[in-house]
Amino acid sequence: AQTVTQSQPEMSVQEAETVTLSCTYDTSESNYYLFWYKQPPSRQMILVIRQEAYKQQNATENRFSVNFQKAAKSFSLKISDSQLGDTAMYFCAFMNRGSQGNLIFGKGTKLSVKP
Amino acid sequence: NAGVTQTPKFQVLKTGQSMTLQCAQDMNHEYMSWYRQDPGMGLRLIHYSVGAGITDQGEVPNGYNVSRSTTEDFPLRLLSAAPSQTSVYFCASMGTLVGGPQETQYFGPGTRLLVL
Repeated sequence: AQTVTQSQPEMSVQEAETVTLSCTYDTSESNYYLFWYKQPPSRQMILVIRQEAYKQQNATENRFSVNFQKAAKSFSLKISDSQLGDTAMYFCAFMNRGSQGNLIFGKGTKLSVKP
Repeated sequence: NAGVTQTPKFQVLKTGQSMTLQCAQDMNHEYMSWYRQDPGMGLRLIHYSVGAGITDQGEVPNGYNVSRSTTEDFPLRLLSAAPSQTSVYFCASMGTLVGGPQETQYFGPGTRLLVL
């Protein structure tokens, strides 16, 4: 069975600085997707970034980028120029290519951005 | 598009009562899912559907029923509520949005359920 591990329950960063959230996963599959979701206090789940396993190039979305290491089964999220609005829970998630609708989530990292 | 909608936003039940959590999506997505979120846990899959008439169990299906009679709707039924079902419930659909990333799961706003 696939598992997703986020080893940092809580993190904090100063506004405008850079922070990296860690995620590791375990799978025997070769074709899959990885996601980072943000959950602010409103509880809404917001997609931050998405990576397809067959793509070697790391995904980027504005201030958000990932470091995808397929052999190490690692998928970390880097937030540059942190903003107060980035304060939220961040969840890493895994999905097999043939299991659409079935995401496996980590337990989350609570990120606080301090002014 | 309204995206994924859920009703109600909050509900209080007594042990043993039944209720249905509603979920609808207007994006013509094939795949729909129900998750529950408990404190200190990530989201865990309850049931999911790969199309109208087809459902399957996820990680924590006990105590819940689903059906999928249309592409748009995917209700979750609690047959006899228990305090252990106190949680926040998220419905999600997966597909492709025009101009958006492919095969991404989009979430509803959640339903907070309290079982006394």
